[in-house]
Amino acid sequence: DARVTQTPRHKVTEMGQEVTMRCQPILGHNTVFWYRQTMMQGLELLAYFRNRAPLDDSGMPKDRFSAEMPDATLATLKIQPSEPRDSAVYFCASGPGQGVGANVLTFGAGSRLTVL
Amino acid sequence: GEDVEQSLFLSVREGDSSVINCTYTDSSSTYLYWYKQEPGAGLQLLTYIFSNMDMKQDQRLTVLLNKKDKHLSLRIADTQTGDSAIYFCAETLNTGFQKLVFGTGTRLLVSP
Repeated sequence: DARVTQTPRHKVTEMGQEVTMRCQPILGHNTVFWYRQTMMQGLELLAYFRNRAPLDDSGMPKDRFSAEMPDATLATLKIQPSEPRDSAVYFCASGPGQGVGANVLTFGAGSRLTVL
Repeated sequence: GEDVEQSLFLSVREGDSSVINCTYTDSSSTYLYWYKQEPGAGLQLLTYIFSNMDMKQDQRLTVLLNKKDKHLSLRIADTQTGDSAIYFCAETLNTGFQKLVFGTGTRLLVSP
């Protein structure tokens, strides 16, 4: 049963600390998305990769957030320095990127971040 | 704009039908999706409909699409307590790459 794996599942940190969230997309999927979910804003798209290349990160605060795909099996989302307003659940999702089900995304279980 | 709108809450009794509504923005969306999120979990695809279809049925789920009004609905027949979750509709924006935009989510509460 193919799944998207995210780590850590939970993270509590203090303001100003660096946070790195990791995602292992489904093998063979060539699109990877990072979403942030909060009660107030709902689901926000932060970054989108196709074939490991960043195509859209317009939803991401550039001064403190960065997203990378060092290889096809790993996507990272880094926040430095973290702030209390970054507290949210961060989801990674991957998709085939082509064919009929191109945009059928499989989501990870999420990383719940709390910044004190 | 990119707002996909849904009502926030829906409460039904077990055994009744649930209808969750969604309005989307991009008339050129090729696919429209319904995802389900259970507590503490990520989103899970329920079903999707191609834009040239008016209706799609999948067991207890019926999706209706009104392209003229940009209105999408999800009907769950014989709703069960296990159907309690947040339901998101999503459209595909053709913005150079196909960007999936989610609605605000509808929290469905099914009472016994």
